[in-house]
Amino acid sequence: SQTIHQWPATLVQPVGSPLSLECTVEGTSNPNLYWYRQAAGRGLQLLFYSIGIDQISSEVPQNLSASRPQDRQFILSSKKLLLSDSGFYLCAWSVRRVDEQFFGPGTRLTVL
Amino acid sequence: DAKTTQPPSMDCAEGRAANLPCNHSTISGNEYVYWYRQIHSQGPQYIIHGLKNNETNEMASLIITEDRKSSTLILPHATLRDTAVYYCIVGDGAGNMLTFGGGTRLMVKP
Repeated sequence: SQTIHQWPATLVQPVGSPLSLECTVEGTSNPNLYWYRQAAGRGLQLLFYSIGIDQISSEVPQNLSASRPQDRQFILSSKKLLLSDSGFYLCAWSVRRVDEQFFGPGTRLTVL
Repeated sequence: DAKTTQPPSMDCAEGRAANLPCNHSTISGNEYVYWYRQIHSQGPQYIIHGLKNNETNEMASLIITEDRKSSTLILPHATLRDTAVYYCIVGDGAGNMLTFGGGTRLMVKP
C-alpha cells in the first residue's frame, strides 16, 4: 500500500532562518506531487506541483521554492523565512492528474 | 480567488442526511468538481469527484446540476465523526488545484 511521510511534524523557526521540509511517498512510482499551505483559519492554497523529477511548477509567487531530486521525494525550502510563512504545510500525491490526492500528516510551521 | 462558494457553516442531526451546497458558476468544460474534508489538525481527506454525471461511493453522493454551475455533496447518514470542514474545489485534471476556499464547517449534533 502507498504511504506518504512528512517531517518534521512541527517546527518553530526565527524570521530570516532557512527552511527545509521533506516529503516522501512509498508504494508508488512516478506520482504527481504537491505542496499546499494552510494559513490559520483559511483554506488550502496550492504552492507547487510536480509531474516528475526536476519538473516543478509554481502556482503563486512567494518566498518558497521546491525541488524533486528523486522520484518520490519532494522538498519545500526557503532561504529566509518571513512571519507570513507560518502555517500548516501539506504534501500530497496522486496517480493521475485527475485522480484524488492523498495528503500527508502535515508540518505545522511557526515563524517567530 | 477561490472558484467556488460555500456556506461557512451548517448543522446536521446525527443520522440525518447532510446536504452541502457549492456554487461554481465559472466552471469550465474540462474542470472537475472535487470534494475533500478536513478534520481538525489533520490533512484533507478525499471524498468524491465528478465531471458531469452524478457520482456515488461508499462515503457520499455528488449531485451536479445540468449546467454544472453548482453541486451538492450528500452524506446520507451523518455521524458525529463526519464533523469537519468540507471543501468543494474545481480542478482541470492537470493537477492544478488552486485555493480550496474557506469550505463549510459541518457540525453533526447528537
